[in-house]
Amino acid sequence: DVKVTQSSRYLVKRTGEKVFLECVQDMDHENMFWYRQDPGLGLRLIYFSYDVKMKEKGDIPEGYSVSREKKERFSLILESASTNQTSMYLCASSLRNAETQYFGPGTRLLVL
Amino acid sequence: GESVGLHLPTLSVQEGDNSIINCAYSNSASDYFIWYKQESGKGPQFIIDIRSNMDKRQGQRVTVLLNKTVKHLSLQIAATQPGDSAVYFCAENRNRDDKIIFGKGTRLHILP
Repeated sequence: DVKVTQSSRYLVKRTGEKVFLECVQDMDHENMFWYRQDPGLGLRLIYFSYDVKMKEKGDIPEGYSVSREKKERFSLILESASTNQTSMYLCASSLRNAETQYFGPGTRLLVL
Repeated sequence: GESVGLHLPTLSVQEGDNSIINCAYSNSASDYFIWYKQESGKGPQFIIDIRSNMDKRQGQRVTVLLNKTVKHLSLQIAATQPGDSAVYFCAENRNRDDKIIFGKGTRLHILP
């Protein structure tokens, strides 16, 4: 079974803080993704990565950056958190392009 | 529990009945389709997939039907149980950009 884990289930941060969300997958998948999920808006792609040290912008990259130093780990960074970044953040991985994506449990982030 | 989507269409089904969840996709060139289930407070979970060279695929208690003529996908759940209560998403692979695109979802509510 594919396992995707995320470092925290719930986080509370203050405006302006730097926030790190970590994601690890154990199936040697090439691709990893970060989404945010908001009521009425569905899943929106923030960033994705096809390989170590590679990253591509998704649909809503503003205010975020990512890091993929190792194949199994993909980090999402909020350089200076803002209240409009309060959301559910979901990490996913897939073996190859356009294959099934497997999701982690999500991190619910509250920015005060 | 958390709300995945406050404005989602909702399907209410009597426990023990069959459920049919529908999805319309937009791109006739899409060749791969996936159904996900998301329970409250959790990440989306893969249920079943289908490629465009098929029109039906069965899993355990679930069947996916694909009608390419009208660009329609459905998920049938047999003998619906309380544990089936969740939001269900369809997703498609649009060949032009090689990404998976997710629908907004349908909330399945089980009546006792």
